[in-house]
Amino acid sequence: GQQLNQSPQSMFIQEGEDVSMNCTSSSIFNTWLWYKQEPGEGPVLLIALYKAGELTSNGRLTAQFGITRKDSFLNISASIPSDVGIYFCAGQPASGANNLFFGTGTRLTVIP
Amino acid sequence: EAGVTQSPTHLIKTRGQQATLRCSPISGHTSVYWYQQALGLGLQFLLWYDEGEERNRGNFPPRFSGRQFPNYSSELNVNALELEDSALYLCASSLLVTLRGDNEQFFGPGTRLTVL
Repeated sequence: GQQLNQSPQSMFIQEGEDVSMNCTSSSIFNTWLWYKQEPGEGPVLLIALYKAGELTSNGRLTAQFGITRKDSFLNISASIPSDVGIYFCAGQPASGANNLFFGTGTRLTVIP
Repeated sequence: EAGVTQSPTHLIKTRGQQATLRCSPISGHTSVYWYQQALGLGLQFLLWYDEGEERNRGNFPPRFSGRQFPNYSSELNVNALELEDSALYLCASSLLVTLRGDNEQFFGPGTRLTVL
């Protein structure tokens, strides 16, 4: 199956700092999605990207679809305590199947 | 608008038993996906249903199966449970889109299955 490498695995940051995480794949993707998961809950969609080079923002979150279609990054600016959680990248491969492949997640801890 | 719902919230079974998990998609969504999330790991794709048919399955043994009903709700069945089947099982729904690349999946809260 598709391999998505997500980094870093975990981050400990001070409140107010910016955060950056990225995801790379071994093959071309048509869609990149970023999700946040909190304990005991399902992932919540944050940002969806559909075109190579696309840069999309959602409040303090900004994500980009890499120009090679094999990578994406997510930035969080001015972090706050409620940003704590696990962030997953997910991609839909160009093979045509609708299922998503997920990265292993980035666990974010924000220190007040 | 109600989101994706799943039941039960928790399920405890013993090895060798069968488990049935249920999912109701967002109203208007025809596609349902099942994912397995083992503790501390990412999500692994299990099954995709649309319009009552299985469209794709992940790299899981045949004892993982399911179905989709005419109202688009879905069941996931796991037969002959093994200890390593213990995980959070997540259901997601989306519109079936013909234009590739427009596939936002929305997740339910999951069913935590524990196999003893």
